[in-house]
Amino acid sequence: KQEVTQIPAALSVPEGENLVLNCSFTDSAIYNLQWFRQDPGKGLTSLLLIQSSQREQTSGRLNASLDKSSGRSTLYIAASQPGDSATYLCAPGGEYNNNDMRFGAGTRLTVKP
Amino acid sequence: DGGITQSPKYLFRKEGQNVTLSCEQNLNHDAMYWYRQDPGQGLRLIYYSQIVNDFQKGDIAEGYSVSREKKESFPLTVTSAQKNPTAFYLCASSIGTGAYGYTFGSGTRLTVV
Repeated sequence: KQEVTQIPAALSVPEGENLVLNCSFTDSAIYNLQWFRQDPGKGLTSLLLIQSSQREQTSGRLNASLDKSSGRSTLYIAASQPGDSATYLCAPGGEYNNNDMRFGAGTRLTVKP
Repeated sequence: DGGITQSPKYLFRKEGQNVTLSCEQNLNHDAMYWYRQDPGQGLRLIYYSQIVNDFQKGDIAEGYSVSREKKESFPLTVTSAQKNPTAFYLCASSIGTGAYGYTFGSGTRLTVV
């Protein structure tokens, strides 16, 4: 069964810093990996989806990389802003089945003005 | 705009009651999912459905029931057999097995009173 770990569990940075969030997973037989953002009391908003054949995806100030063989993904946030404060979750998706997407507990990010 | 609508946003349940959470999508997605989120934990899969009139148990199905009579709708009933139902419930959908990622609703917070 896929196990997903996100480090650190919480992170507080001053505005303007570049930062990296880490995600590791135990089963490398994944189809894709999705990064989500969750604001308090809200649903999940998809940020980036990386297919297993890709090594990275970029959207604005966000860049996600995937090293499938080592079971790692990172989310890089450039020039952080207070509006980036949220919990970030990663979810590797299984190769064949709908029930194989597993979630980490997330990294709670606070960006101070 | 296409999306997933969950209702109600907040729900209170008395001991011994069954309650039903609504999830409707207009994305024409084949698959739908129910997840439970507890503080500090990742999302856990309750039930999922790949096609109309078919659904499968996830990791924590005990005490829950679902139906999938229409492609657009996947309601979740929390029965009195669920001993610890207080949680945040999230509904999601995907095209097929999730190769193009998941889309989430805004969630329902259920509290036992």
